[in-house]
Amino acid sequence: QKEVEQNSGPLSVPEGAIASLNCTYSDRGSQSFFWYRQYSGKSPELIMSIYSNGDKEDGRFTAQLNKASQYVSLLIRDSQPSDSATYLCALTNSGGYQKVTFGTGTKLQVIP
Amino acid sequence: DAEITQSPRHKITETGRQVTLACHQTWNHNNMFWYRQDLGHGLRLIHYSYGVQDTNKGEVSDGYSVSRSNTEDLPLTLESAASSQTSVYFCASSGQGGPAGELFFGEGSRLTVL
Repeated sequence: QKEVEQNSGPLSVPEGAIASLNCTYSDRGSQSFFWYRQYSGKSPELIMSIYSNGDKEDGRFTAQLNKASQYVSLLIRDSQPSDSATYLCALTNSGGYQKVTFGTGTKLQVIP
Repeated sequence: DAEITQSPRHKITETGRQVTLACHQTWNHNNMFWYRQDLGHGLRLIHYSYGVQDTNKGEVSDGYSVSRSNTEDLPLTLESAASSQTSVYFCASSGQGGPAGELFFGEGSRLTVL
């Protein structure tokens, strides 16, 4: 079982809709969770971090964490074509202080 | 502005050659990481360092080495390049005082081994 699992997509949503990206993880000791966005041919950039159960909102982005069910999700409201990218779920696990493990990413396509 | 730079951005080499990818950061971050990114595998950790003279192996370290002689630089060396090491390589850093896992990435180095 992979440490971090994501559906590779592509996930296609119309402009203005809500995009929902999901991620599950295997290590119950995982402590911190992140969403990175990666445009084609570019490097990843951090867009959200979440450390405790519940929701965290930042503009059009909402990260949700459920440690009991071992999943993390990212909601993007009012999706824009500029949101089209690959979204990487990541976490720091119980074994390494600053070591980050990434999922393979979900490709999001926002259709104008 | 602080930044993290990688060089070269593109490199073509032959099997068996030694290759070094440079990574230089001006964030004054203690923690530095090398990842490789391949289709279907995502980002996989090669080596990492928590400070000067500290280096650690990641999940795919075979065939790679790093050294950390100062805070700013973490060069990645492929001792004898193999075709399986064709990939995009990303260097990243994070600060001791910042949230664990908040990584700043370089622009990447695309390596092709023929």
